[in-house]
Amino acid sequence: AQSVTQLGSHVSVSEGALVLLRCNYSSSVPPYLFWYVQYPNQGLQLLLKYTTGATLVKGINGFEAEFKKSETSFHLTKPSAHMSDAAEYFCAVSAATSGTYKYIFGTGTRLKVLA
Amino acid sequence: GAGVSQSPSNKVTEKGKDVELRCDPISGHTALYWYRQSLGQGLEFLIYFQGNSAPDKSGLPSDRFSAERTGGSVSTLTIQRTQQEDSAVYLCASSFGGLQGGNGYTFGSGTRLTVV
Repeated sequence: AQSVTQLGSHVSVSEGALVLLRCNYSSSVPPYLFWYVQYPNQGLQLLLKYTTGATLVKGINGFEAEFKKSETSFHLTKPSAHMSDAAEYFCAVSAATSGTYKYIFGTGTRLKVLA
Repeated sequence: GAGVSQSPSNKVTEKGKDVELRCDPISGHTALYWYRQSLGQGLEFLIYFQGNSAPDKSGLPSDRFSAERTGGSVSTLTIQRTQQEDSAVYLCASSFGGLQGGNGYTFGSGTRLTVV
């Protein structure tokens, strides 16, 4: 069965500092992996996804993530945090169950950016 | 439409009443999903519709919850005899489907349900 673990429910960084949000997954088949961002009172927005091919994936707003099969990880990074990056971030894996596909989400990491 | 539209955006209801939540997906998206987001928790899968196939209802928490999707487009999530533990944000998402789930979802802004 597929599962997702996000380490750290809250992360604080200073403006301009590196952002690192951790995600580890468990999957019995090659996974499709996603990062979503949720701003207050809004739905989730797709940041980036890994399906096949290049393991370093670039997304919107300067974020990127690297799929590391050996570590079963898909950590999200951004070189320099901006105040507008403050939001909640969710990692997800696409899970196949009885021929249907749904996403299993982590519990989220709330990012706070300090001035 | 340009995005996934959910209504109402907020709903306050009395315990024991029935509620209906509506989702209008992106035109052409064959897959539609409902998730529930409770305070401090991740997203809990509820139900999935794909084209004309039988829906995957494996995430519905009780028989008080049901959903339908008419004409492969608009979906309604119904909660009967609401309980306080049903209070949450209900999120709808749609997708092109296929690609073994690799297309990514487009989410609506959600309906915040409060049961008092």
